[in-house]
Amino acid sequence: GESVGLHLPTLSVQEGDNSIINCAYSNSASDYFIWYKQESGKGPQFIIDIRSNMDKRQGQRVTVLLNKTVKHLSLQIAATQPGDSAVYFCAENINTGNQFYFGTGTSLTVIP
Amino acid sequence: NAGVTQTPKFQVLKTGQSMTLQCAQDMNHEYMSWYRQDPGMGLRLIHYSVGAGITDQGEVPNGYNVSRSTTEDFPLRLLSAAPSQTSVYFCASSYSAALTYEQYFGPGTRLTVT
Repeated sequence: GESVGLHLPTLSVQEGDNSIINCAYSNSASDYFIWYKQESGKGPQFIIDIRSNMDKRQGQRVTVLLNKTVKHLSLQIAATQPGDSAVYFCAENINTGNQFYFGTGTSLTVIP
Repeated sequence: NAGVTQTPKFQVLKTGQSMTLQCAQDMNHEYMSWYRQDPGMGLRLIHYSVGAGITDQGEVPNGYNVSRSTTEDFPLRLLSAAPSQTSVYFCASSYSAALTYEQYFGPGTRLTVT
């Protein structure tokens, strides 16, 4: 299967700090990426997406950065809140194909 | 809109039993898919459909069947349950079969096979 990996399986941050979650991918033909948040006992929830013709995209308190040279994507969460505690997944689509490939996830814990 | 709904939420099966996990969406989405999620792993695609009457296999299709007779419904059938199929199953849908739009996920079905 396609390789989509995360550098760190767990991340703990203080409330109010910024969080950075990283994701590496291996296929240079990947052209669309999504970050998902999954809270305990729930399905994944869309956070933000980015297409391969962009380097950066911002949402509300979140920013995704895409570095195609090193095949790396990151999710930055500003002013992290306790409600941000969850597992975060990156997913990639290759050549606008019919499958998304998911990473294993990073568990973010926000310390009040 | 109810979004993506799945039933049941929980199910316990004995080895060899069969059952159908239900998935429905009311967003008129072309693309629907089934994933399984095992502890410490990302979601793995079982089967997907790019429209009514069209289905295809994902990464881990063995032991599962699907059909897509309507745009709204995409049931997943376990033919003869095995303990290796103990997992959490998620159904998802997307506006476009080209998958350049986000996928919406259902709440999941937690299946245990004893």
